[in-house]
Amino acid sequence: SQQGEEDPQALSIQEGENATMNCSYKTSINNLQWYRQNSGRGLVHLILIRSNEREKHRGRLRVTLDTSKKSSSLLITASRAADTASYFCATVRAGGTSYGKLTFGQGTILTVHP
Amino acid sequence: GAVVSQHPSWVICKSGTSVKIECRSLDFQATTMFWYRQFPKQSLMLMATSNEGSKATYEQGVEKDKFLINHASLTLSTLTVTSAHPEDSSFYICSATIGGGGELFFGEGSRLTVL
Repeated sequence: SQQGEEDPQALSIQEGENATMNCSYKTSINNLQWYRQNSGRGLVHLILIRSNEREKHRGRLRVTLDTSKKSSSLLITASRAADTASYFCATVRAGGTSYGKLTFGQGTILTVHP
Repeated sequence: GAVVSQHPSWVICKSGTSVKIECRSLDFQATTMFWYRQFPKQSLMLMATSNEGSKATYEQGVEKDKFLINHASLTLSTLTVTSAHPEDSSFYICSATIGGGGELFFGEGSRLTVL
């Protein structure tokens, strides 16, 4: 089964609203990464958070990591229609290299209405 | 940023034929490449890890004789789906890294449809 489970599976919001997606995982990790995928396209790396970090920001993105609960969240603030995509979390197991073998979550389909 | 190119981006073939998908790192040497498979509206499932000059390491449940992976050079890995059947229809994505903790870059994916 997939390492990561994400919720919600689908999220529909209006432009300007914030979008929050959650990810849970099962094993100890080296790091957790978030990716974006536009329909039928490849993946774009958004942000990486290491196991010893609790929060990270990049532009309108805010990622948190709670290793005690084995969970992470991705917050997109002031969403735009162009943010419409699928978002995946992916983990690298403890002992792995930073960007090594990834195990992906199920993903959240985000739709931002203009 | 670094670019990983996949070719073809889409392919339609008849059942029983073999299809080869290429993954190239255009501006860096990739010691390791990963092949993933993605069904519609589902997540990416790692199929195999490909290291230049050595045999690929396949994930549990992936048939190595069905999905042949060759990583003959530091810039090219190929995935050949042998004797393809309709259930092999999927989106195949590769990623590449220079290794040693280097960043991972994804290709745009190849959509295979087997009739």
